[in-house]
Amino acid sequence: DQQVKQNSPSLSVQEGRISILNCDYTNSMFDYFLWYKKYPAEGPTFLISISSIKDKNEDGRFTVFLNKSAKHLSLHIVPSQPGDSAVYFCAASAFVGNNAGNMLTFGGGTRLMVKP
Amino acid sequence: KAGVTQTPRYLIKTRGQQVTLSCSPISGHRSVSWYQQTPGQGLQFLFEYFSETQRNKGNFPGRFSGRQFSNSRSEMNVSTLELGDSALYLCASSRQGILFFGEGSRLTVL
Repeated sequence: DQQVKQNSPSLSVQEGRISILNCDYTNSMFDYFLWYKKYPAEGPTFLISISSIKDKNEDGRFTVFLNKSAKHLSLHIVPSQPGDSAVYFCAASAFVGNNAGNMLTFGGGTRLMVKP
Repeated sequence: KAGVTQTPRYLIKTRGQQVTLSCSPISGHRSVSWYQQTPGQGLQFLFEYFSETQRNKGNFPGRFSGRQFSNSRSEMNVSTLELGDSALYLCASSRQGILFFGEGSRLTVL
């Protein structure tokens, strides 16, 4: 049972345009969501996160939107740059106690290609 | 501040052997997690350690084990290697719910 899903395995966007990456989840206990970017042969790099008490969080060119009723989140990158070409993973966690740990459930990833 | 360091970066083993991977977390981070990344299964949680204790465990067989030392450094071990264990093994240390990953150890089992 895949609790976090990224239904688009790849996305191609022209430089300067908006990239929208989508993620759906099924576990209603998830209350914290993160996006990671991954280049080949490197570990994932944290991009941006959002708590379930918010519906939007911005950091520079990156904005994450959360729709709790639809169990859906999206990452917007504006404007897209060729250096943004990478695999993007969304991840989710559920708070189950102050000392319960930091287990993330990841989606399968979306490969973003930004064309010059 | 130095990031998460994993060694070795690449290794090749044969079926039946065992392997130990090492991870040094970001200074001050006490939680260390391990993930396995394969093309078919994506990023899957192996286990998490905090203050030398395993705090969470994923759905992997007992051949996969780990430990954490008093300086927060961690090791994971895979015994009786199988072809399907070929993967990128990622270590992460965490702070306030955010995981910071190392570059990974790429294991190939022949």
